Amino acid sequence: AQKVTQAQTEISVVEKEDVTLDCVYETRDTTYYLFWYKQPPSGELVFLIRRNSFDEQNEISGRYSWNFQKSTSSFNFTITASQVVDSAVYFCALSEAQTTGRRALTFGSGTRLQVQP
Amino acid sequence: DAGVIQSPRHEVTEMGQEVTLRCKPISGHNSLFWYRQTMMRGLELLIYFNNNVPIDDSGMPEDRFSAKMPNASFSTLKIQPSEPRDSAVYFCASSLGAVDIQYFGAGTRLSVL
Repeated sequence: AQKVTQAQTEISVVEKEDVTLDCVYETRDTTYYLFWYKQPPSGELVFLIRRNSFDEQNEISGRYSWNFQKSTSSFNFTITASQVVDSAVYFCALSEAQTTGRRALTFGSGTRLQVQP
Repeated sequence: DAGVIQSPRHEVTEMGQEVTLRCKPISGHNSLFWYRQTMMRGLELLIYFNNNVPIDDSGMPEDRFSAKMPNASFSTLKIQPSEPRDSAVYFCASSLGAVDIQYFGAGTRLSVL
């Protein structure tokens, strides 16, 4: 069965610090997708990124970057020069793409990031 | 374009009452998902529809929960009778295809007293 583990329950940093959120996943499918979502204090779930299992290139989007390593089943998320507005709960999620796979997202338990001014 | 629209945003009801949550997916999306978020269990799938047909309802807790998707632009999640342990935030999400990006509604916060 699929599983997503976010071992960091809560992280607190001071503004402008870099911070990395860890995500480790388990799946038997060879084709799958990994996601990160942000849940700010207002409660909505905001999509950040999707990567497929065949694309291990790291991605950078502004202050955000993602490091996907199949060898360690990890999909880590780094925020560079954090800002107070980055304070939120961040969820890593997995969906399987093969015919018999689970299409719905399996979420990790989330990491609460607090960025102090 | 409008995103996924859920109603109501907040619902407070008494134990034993029927509760109906509503969702309008993004136009053109053919997959719809209902998730529930609680402190104890986190975010978990309740049911998933593809082309209005329920595909995976393994997360539906028990017979008190039912979901329908009568057409491509509307889905309901009904709890009858409601119990205090049903208190949670219920999210609806839609995607273009089953493995595409899921976009979430703002959620319905349900409190059962």
